[in-house]
Amino acid sequence: DQQVKQNSPSLSVQEGRISILNCDYTNSMFDYFLWYKKYPAEGPTFLISISSIKDKNEDGRFTVFLNKSAKHLSLHIVPSQPGDSAVYFCAASDNNDMRFGAGTRLTVKP
Amino acid sequence: GAGVSQSPRYKVAKRGQDVALRCDPISGHVSLFWYQQALGQGPEFLTYFQNEAQLDKSGLPSDRFFAERPEGSVSTLKIQRTQQEDSAVYLCASSLAGTGGWSPLHFGNGTRLTVT
Repeated sequence: DQQVKQNSPSLSVQEGRISILNCDYTNSMFDYFLWYKKYPAEGPTFLISISSIKDKNEDGRFTVFLNKSAKHLSLHIVPSQPGDSAVYFCAASDNNDMRFGAGTRLTVKP
Repeated sequence: GAGVSQSPRYKVAKRGQDVALRCDPISGHVSLFWYQQALGQGPEFLTYFQNEAQLDKSGLPSDRFFAERPEGSVSTLKIQRTQQEDSAVYLCASSLAGTGGWSPLHFGNGTRLTVT
């Protein structure tokens, strides 16, 4: 039962351009949505979150957009940098139950 | 450091052996989670503690899996009679919030279990 889906396993972007990572969910009870970044051999690191009552949250180069009617969220990174290369996990939380997508591997080419 | 610490980093077990994985959460964090991450997949929820109480163990795949957090701090995930399908990275995460609140999860670097 995959409640959080990331349909793109990988994405390659040129340095300086925008990276857009997408995520879909099925459970309308989720009230927080998060993005985590993961480097090899490390645990996921929290990147940015958005409450279900908002449609946009921005933090520096990172912006998360939430479309509740479509049950869709996206992470925009602009401008992309080579250090952003990592696996990005979308997560959704219903009280203390947090579910993760399968991840998207972002490669930012110099 | 002040992060979530997991040990061992790597564990190789022969099929049928018992293993114990340890998690030291961030001091003061109320909530503690265990996740299982198979290769190429996202973390899959196993179980959740609020202080010493195990509030949700619905993700534990079988009764061979057991988790405890007796004093509301360090937690141990035990897997009895390991099987090859148990091979995965086991992630522990803690957060400051308890019931009714929300805060991001802070993950450890995981324990990679390989069952041969």
